[in-house]
Amino acid sequence: DQQVKQNSPSLSVQEGRISILNCDYTNSMFDYFLWYKKYPAEGPTFLISISSIKDKNEDGRFTVFLNKSAKHLSLHIVPSQPGDSAVYFCAASGSSNYKLTFGKGTLLTVNP
Amino acid sequence: KAGVTQTPRYLIKTRGQQVTLSCSPISGHRSVSWYQQTPGQGLQFLFEYFSETQRNKGNFPGRFSGRQFSNSRSEMNVSTLELGDSALYLCASSLIISVGGTLLYEQYFGPGTRLTVT
Repeated sequence: DQQVKQNSPSLSVQEGRISILNCDYTNSMFDYFLWYKKYPAEGPTFLISISSIKDKNEDGRFTVFLNKSAKHLSLHIVPSQPGDSAVYFCAASGSSNYKLTFGKGTLLTVNP
Repeated sequence: KAGVTQTPRYLIKTRGQQVTLSCSPISGHRSVSWYQQTPGQGLQFLFEYFSETQRNKGNFPGRFSGRQFSNSRSEMNVSTLELGDSALYLCASSLIISVGGTLLYEQYFGPGTRLTVT
């Protein structure tokens, strides 16, 4: 049973436009959410996180939104750049819990 | 600060052999977690160590084991290798942050060890 779902395996956007990556979760015990970016043959790179006590966290071009009632979070990248092309993973954990549960990932392609 | 380092980066083994992978966490990080990434199953949690103690283990057979040393460096071992163990093995060290009184683990990953079992 997949507790963290990224329903879009891929997404293609034009350079300069907004990229929106979505993630849904089923476990109500999750209260900490992270986004990672991964290039082939490399480990995931931490991008941004959000605690369940917030509904928005922003870091430069990256913003994560959390809708607890819908058990949904999204990552917005504005403006998108070709260097953003990678696989993006959503991950979740519970309080004081070091075990991350990952989604299957979304391949983002930003076209020049 | 140096990032998480993993050695070796690539490894080829045959069925039935055993393998040991090594991970050095970011300086000051005491929690080290291991994950397995395969095309079919994605990223799956193997186990986590803190202060030389395994605190949790994922749904993997006993052939998968690990340990942590007093300097926080960690190793994982897979015995009696099977073809299905071919995967990217990732180590992550955690920065523990407190948000609203709750401890959260911000995990930083190493480049991984690509294990191929033939």
